Formats: sequence, structure tokens, C-alpha cells
Amino acid sequence: KNEVEQSPQNLTAQEGEFITINCSYSVGISALHWLQQHPGGGIVSLFMLSSGKKKHGRLIATINIQEKHSSLHITASHPRDSAVYICAVRPYSGAGSYQLTFGKGTKLSVIP
Amino acid sequence: NAGVTQTPKFQVLKTGQSMTLQCAQDMNHEYMSWYRQDPGMGLRLIHYSVGAGITDQGEVPNGYNVSRSTTEDFPLRLLSAAPSQTSVYFCASSYSGRNEQYFGPGTRLTVT
Repeated sequence: KNEVEQSPQNLTAQEGEFITINCSYSVGISALHWLQQHPGGGIVSLFMLSSGKKKHGRLIATINIQEKHSSLHITASHPRDSAVYICAVRPYSGAGSYQLTFGKGTKLSVIP
Repeated sequence: NAGVTQTPKFQVLKTGQSMTLQCAQDMNHEYMSWYRQDPGMGLRLIHYSVGAGITDQGEVPNGYNVSRSTTEDFPLRLLSAAPSQTSVYFCASSYSGRNEQYFGPGTRLTVT
């Protein structure tokens, strides 16, 4: 069974701090997604990656396929970054190749 | 573009009632899916569709029915609502099942 584990579950940071959220998974994958869920409930896709590293503004996502691990980094954190960050993986192939398996999310609070 | 729209935003049902959650997208995406989000759990896939006329079951399909008569619309039907179906429901779409996913704003459903 494909499992996705995120850590930490909850994270409180001071404004300006560097933040890391981790995601580990148990099966071979073809892609990993990082999503952001705002306090109002809306979900936005941040990154989709299958190797290496991607950067968008203050957000950086990395993945190590061999170690089955990904990290989401936020540099110079700001209160508007407060949200739940969700990791999701797509299995490598087979009948489940359209289906994403989601982690439970990491709730980030950035204090001014 | 409106993106992915869902109606209604909120709904309260009595046990045994039926209803349809509406989802529409205007991005000409082939892939559409329905998820439910419950406290302490990751998003779980209910049903998905890879194109008009094609649907398939996800992880938690029981009690739900879908159809896809057009590329734009993917309604989710609750056949006989049960308290266990109290949840927040998200519709999502992507160009194919292997691309970035776009989420609707969600429908909060309570079954009493």
C-alpha cells in the first residue's frame, strides 16, 4: 500500500525564519505534488516534480527519488504563508497511475 | 477563465436524501476527479474521469455515483446520504491525469 508521511504535523515559526516541511513515501512514483490549502479552504498547486529541484519565488521544492523523500522550503517566511501544506504522490505505473495518494498535511503558522 | 467551479458551497441533508454536487471547468481539461477531505485524513479519491463518457472508481467510491457526458461537467451524486458522508468535497481537473491539478473551492456537506 502506498503511504505518504509528512513531518512535522504542525509548525510555528517567527516571521523571517527558514522553514522546511518533509514528505516521505513508500512506493516508486512518477511525480510528486506540493499543494497549499489556505485557511479559507481553497487548494492551490505549488509544484509538481519528478526529479531535482524547482523554485518559485520564496518556495523551493526538492525530491530524492532514491530515498523516496521530498522537502518543501520557504525562505524569509511571512504570515501570509500560514496554511496547510500537502504532499501527494502519483504511483509509477499501472491501474493506479492516475490516482494521487495524499499526506495528511503540515499546518504552518507564521507569527509576526 | 473561471477555472473549476463547484456548487453548492454548503449543504445540509437528512439521512436517506439524495443530491448532486456540481462541478464544471472551462479549461478543456480531459481529467476530472472528486475527492473528500475528512479531519485527520488526507484527501481521498472518490471517482475520476479521463474524458467524456469514461469514469472509474477511486479509493472510496461506495455511496457515490458519477457520469461525464461533456468535457466541462462532472457531477457527483449521493444516492442515499449517510452521516459518514459528512465531509468537504473537492473537485479537481487537469489537462491529463499526469499534470498539475486545479481544485474547485469545495462543498461542505453535513448529513444529519
